[in-house]
Amino acid sequence: KNQVEQSPQSLIILEGKNCTLQCNYTVSPFSNLRWYKQDTGRGPVSLTIMTFSENTKSNGRYTATLDADTKQSSLHITASQLSDSASYICVVSAFSGTASKLTFGTGTRLQVTL
Amino acid sequence: EAGVAQSPRYKIIEKRQSVAFWCNPISGHATLYWYQQILGQGPKLLIQFQNNGVVDDSQLPKDRFSAERLKGVDSTLKIQPAKLEDSAVYLCASSSLTSGGPESSYNEQFFGPGTRLTVL
Repeated sequence: KNQVEQSPQSLIILEGKNCTLQCNYTVSPFSNLRWYKQDTGRGPVSLTIMTFSENTKSNGRYTATLDADTKQSSLHITASQLSDSASYICVVSAFSGTASKLTFGTGTRLQVTL
Repeated sequence: EAGVAQSPRYKIIEKRQSVAFWCNPISGHATLYWYQQILGQGPKLLIQFQNNGVVDDSQLPKDRFSAERLKGVDSTLKIQPAKLEDSAVYLCASSSLTSGGPESSYNEQFFGPGTRLTVL
């Protein structure tokens, strides 16, 4: 069964600090891994997408890493801002030859405080 | 470009009542998805349309949930009758995906704001 596990479940950090969110997956056959940001009351918005051959990708202050051997990914947020308060969801795509399917993690809820 | 529109944003009903949600995807997007997101969990795919045909409805509880996509554009999701466990956010997403080949796995989905359903 395809699964995506994220940790921590929730995190509180001070504004300006860095943080790293973790994602472990058992999805086969792996196609790509995405990180989404979901603000409260809004739909998820894509931050990054990485294929098997990519091990890092940045989007502003967000940097995602992928280790396809250990099936782990991380999302590093640099110099956090209050607007970074949101849930961050790791999503892994599998392609079976005829169709692709997304497996969503349960998310990490990040709160940035003053 | 305008995003995915959903209505209503909030709905409160009693169990055994019926409810319908509406979604208008991004103009020109062939593929439309309905997800159920229970509090504290990631979204779960209920149904995927490509134009007005169903691609995947394997996780749709068909005894009470139904969905249609009129003329390959707007879509409605209905629950009849609702149960307490249906309380969740119902997200609609769309993508420009037009085929099921390998490139489909890279296709980005754009999500609407969701409809928060509370069943009492």
